[in-house]
Amino acid sequence: GAGVSQTPSNKVTEKGKYVELRCDPISGHTALYWYRQSLGQGPEFLIYFQGTGAADDSGLPNDRFFAVRPEGSVSTLKIQRTERGDSAVYLCASSPSGGQTQYFGPGTRLLVL
Amino acid sequence: AQRVTQPEKLLSVFKGAPVELKCNYSYSGSPELFWYVQYSRQRLQLLLRHISRESIKGFTADLNKGETSFHLKKPFAQEEDSAMYYCALWSSGGSEKLVFGKGMKLTVNP
Repeated sequence: GAGVSQTPSNKVTEKGKYVELRCDPISGHTALYWYRQSLGQGPEFLIYFQGTGAADDSGLPNDRFFAVRPEGSVSTLKIQRTERGDSAVYLCASSPSGGQTQYFGPGTRLLVL
Repeated sequence: AQRVTQPEKLLSVFKGAPVELKCNYSYSGSPELFWYVQYSRQRLQLLLRHISRESIKGFTADLNKGETSFHLKKPFAQEEDSAMYYCALWSSGGSEKLVFGKGMKLTVNP
């Protein structure tokens, strides 16, 4: 079956611009996670959704970052006033009901110039 | 605080040699640990989890609570094992999430 998909695969933007990154989880998976992976680092947790609600957003670095999942399926990560330090690969993962077994998407590589 | 440490960034071996990828963790509760692998141009995928006590692609990992370690081992490495390997800890109790180490690149030479 189809795995987790993420669009776009690459995004180049200018400092100060707004970007949206999209994640399509595996159908039927209620849990959805966002991670950020900077160069030379492992993935770092950003936010976790269970259904439509954000169950844990403790990993969001500041209020420029926001994520939604209005219908409990597709999620969008939104970054306002992008900074060069936001450049990273943004990973999405889904899980059947929340928990350790997570299925990852291919990631969106964001470059802020 | 939860932390996963992978002390080595790179490991290069020849085909047929044994490999051990080190992972140490810091966690106050009962840990659940995982190894994830990312092959070239592929997405991150689960390799194995300690509670399953299984061997996947010839890899095994034993949780050592005394040494707070979860090292990944394979007796005879193959070229197709070349990849990035990430050790991860499941953090629960208020904030449920995977905490990853920085990763280690394994290269198996012919």
